[in-house]
Amino acid sequence: EDQVTQSPEALRLQEGESSSLNCSYTVSGLRGLFWYRQDPGKGPEFLFTLYSAGEEKEKERLKATLTKKESFLHITAPKPEDSATYLCAVHFTGNQFYFGTGTSLTVIP
Amino acid sequence: DGGITQSPKYLFRKEGQNVTLSCEQNLNHDAMYWYRQDPGQGLRLIYYSQIVNDFQKGDIAEGYSVSREKKESFPLTVTSAQKNPTAFYLCASRPAGVSISYNEQFFGPGTRLTVL
Repeated sequence: EDQVTQSPEALRLQEGESSSLNCSYTVSGLRGLFWYRQDPGKGPEFLFTLYSAGEEKEKERLKATLTKKESFLHITAPKPEDSATYLCAVHFTGNQFYFGTGTSLTVIP
Repeated sequence: DGGITQSPKYLFRKEGQNVTLSCEQNLNHDAMYWYRQDPGQGLRLIYYSQIVNDFQKGDIAEGYSVSREKKESFPLTVTSAQKNPTAFYLCASRPAGVSISYNEQFFGPGTRLTVL
C-alpha cells in the first residue's frame, strides 16, 4: 500500500485560476511533511516543511497546510511560470523519506 | 556557493558495464541519499548514509553499490547486475541533527543514465 498519495496526477489551470493540490499519507508518527517543485530534467527544489496539524507556510503564490492525515498546496492566481511537477514527501520515524508520484501542473496563459 | 553537485549530467552505459555517478556537497551535511526517479513513479530510495564509512540499503539497492569515505562525497556505482538502469538519478543531503528543524533534504541537479 502506498504510504503517500498525491492528487490529482495532472492539473491544467488558466492563468489566475486558483486551485489546490493534495497529499495524503497513511502511516502515523509523522516527523515532517515536505513540498518540492521539480522542473523537467532538474532536481527537486525545496519549498516547505510542515511539522504539525494546523501549521501553514506561505511563499509568494503558494500556501501549504497540514491536517492529521493530509496536506494541501494552495496556488493562488497562478502564472505560467508556476508550471512544474509538485512533489510531496513525508518523514516518519527512522531515516527514510517517502515520496508521492507528484502532481504535474500546467498554467495556461 | 553552497550546494550539491552531480556529474555527469548525462551518462550512457553499454550492456555489462559498471558506471559511477558522482555526488558532492559542500553544505557540511551529515546524511546523504541516492534516489532513482522513473516516469509515473515517486522517488525510490537506493542507498543512504548517515555518517562517513557507514551506509544502509534502501528499497531498491540490488544492482547498486555506494561508498562514503568522505563527508562531502557519496558516489553511486550502477553495476551490470542492475537490469533496468535507465532512469534519472538524484542525490540529496541533509543535516542529521536530532533537532526537528533539520529535516529537509536538498537535492542535486540529477544524472540521466541511459543504457545503449
